[in-house]
Amino acid sequence: AQKVTQAQTEISVVEKEDVTLDCVYETRDTTYYLFWYKQPPSGELVFLIRRNSFDEQNEISGRYSWNFQKSTSSFNFTITASQVVDSAVYFCALASRYNFNKFYFGSGTKLNVKP
Amino acid sequence: EAQVTQNPRYLITVTGKKLTVTCSQNMNHEYMSWYRQDPGLGLRQIYYSMNVEVTDKGDVPEGYKVSRKEKRNFPLILESPSPNQTSLYFCASSSTAPQETQYFGPGTRLLVL
Repeated sequence: AQKVTQAQTEISVVEKEDVTLDCVYETRDTTYYLFWYKQPPSGELVFLIRRNSFDEQNEISGRYSWNFQKSTSSFNFTITASQVVDSAVYFCALASRYNFNKFYFGSGTKLNVKP
Repeated sequence: EAQVTQNPRYLITVTGKKLTVTCSQNMNHEYMSWYRQDPGLGLRQIYYSMNVEVTDKGDVPEGYKVSRKEKRNFPLILESPSPNQTSLYFCASSSTAPQETQYFGPGTRLLVL
């Protein structure tokens, strides 16, 4: 079965704190892709990152970083020095070789960054 | 500008009254998909299309229909809407399959009374 779990429903931090959003996935396939999307209060979905299962190298983009660990089936997202504009719902998602045409989202983590 | 458009953006209707939500993309993408977003459930895939005249069910297809007669358009049809279809709907497209970056439309908020 393909499944994405985001156990953190809501997180609140104060501006400039670091915060990590957890994502745990399930798939029987060895070839798969993982994604993170951001949904700000305005409602649109913004693509953040895509990672394939053969690339476990961590990635950093400005204040954002992603930690992919196949051993624990996790693809965690860290925001360093959070800002109020980071307040949003963040979704982790999976597409696997079992059926690349199907796409599975986690339930999302709402991040509140307070000034 | 590359984009996915959806219409209408907001819709209030009554149970049983057929409706169509349109989706159009201008990127010549082959793959298109519909999702619904509900609190605590994230986004769930309703239907997807790999190309013109090729569609298949996602995880929650009951009560919905789709068609793909042209590459750019992928309408979502609710033949007899029910209150449990009240939701936020997103259309998305990508060049091939969803492992490529999906571009999402702005969403359609539907209320079925």
